[in-house]
Amino acid sequence: EAGVAQSPRYKIIEKRQSVAFWCNPISGHATLYWYQQILGQGPKLLIQFQNNGVVDDSQLPKDRFSAERLKGVDSTLKIQPAKLEDSAVYLCASSLSPGRYEQYFGPGTRLTVT
Amino acid sequence: KQEVTQIPAALSVPEGENLVLNCSFTDSAIYNLQWFRQDPGKGLTSLLLIQSSQREQTSGRLNASLDKSSGRSTLYIAASQPGDSATYLCAVETGANNLFFGTGTRLTVIP
Repeated sequence: EAGVAQSPRYKIIEKRQSVAFWCNPISGHATLYWYQQILGQGPKLLIQFQNNGVVDDSQLPKDRFSAERLKGVDSTLKIQPAKLEDSAVYLCASSLSPGRYEQYFGPGTRLTVT
Repeated sequence: KQEVTQIPAALSVPEGENLVLNCSFTDSAIYNLQWFRQDPGKGLTSLLLIQSSQREQTSGRLNASLDKSSGRSTLYIAASQPGDSATYLCAVETGANNLFFGTGTRLTVIP
């Protein structure tokens, strides 16, 4: 079974530039999550999708972050414009459904904003 | 708001030792608790998931316990190996389907 795929693996941009990350979840997983992990901290949920609908985006900085999952499969996370404090690893995870099932994580995208 | 704490932040043990990692959470109204492993530069690998109605789960040399009423979980690793060196994260899932993570314990097993 293929795991959660993410690209790119690394990205370096200057502040005020824009960047996009892509995630392909495990086949058949209806729930998709984006997390932000700042160095030395645990991951923090940014947004959760159930199929192509948003379940929770309460911690997403909506003035600069956006995410979509148009066909209920792949998802993209965008930051525009980026700030220095956005430097982090962005993790995508998926699960069969929320609640009783394990979340499976991708390798992450390490973003450095200079 | 749910807060998850992991102690110690870092731990070094000689190969072959048994060890215990601790996790505590402030709100006992959880759906489940998961232990993850994170290797440098990589994503998270799920190790064990304990439903709120369960007391423990075992997988190979790993055993995780859950005491929901006291807000505590432990991860026991038997006969540690250098390959066990990684950061171990615990996370609790609330009724809102959010995973709240601790800051992790960085484990080093010395050959």
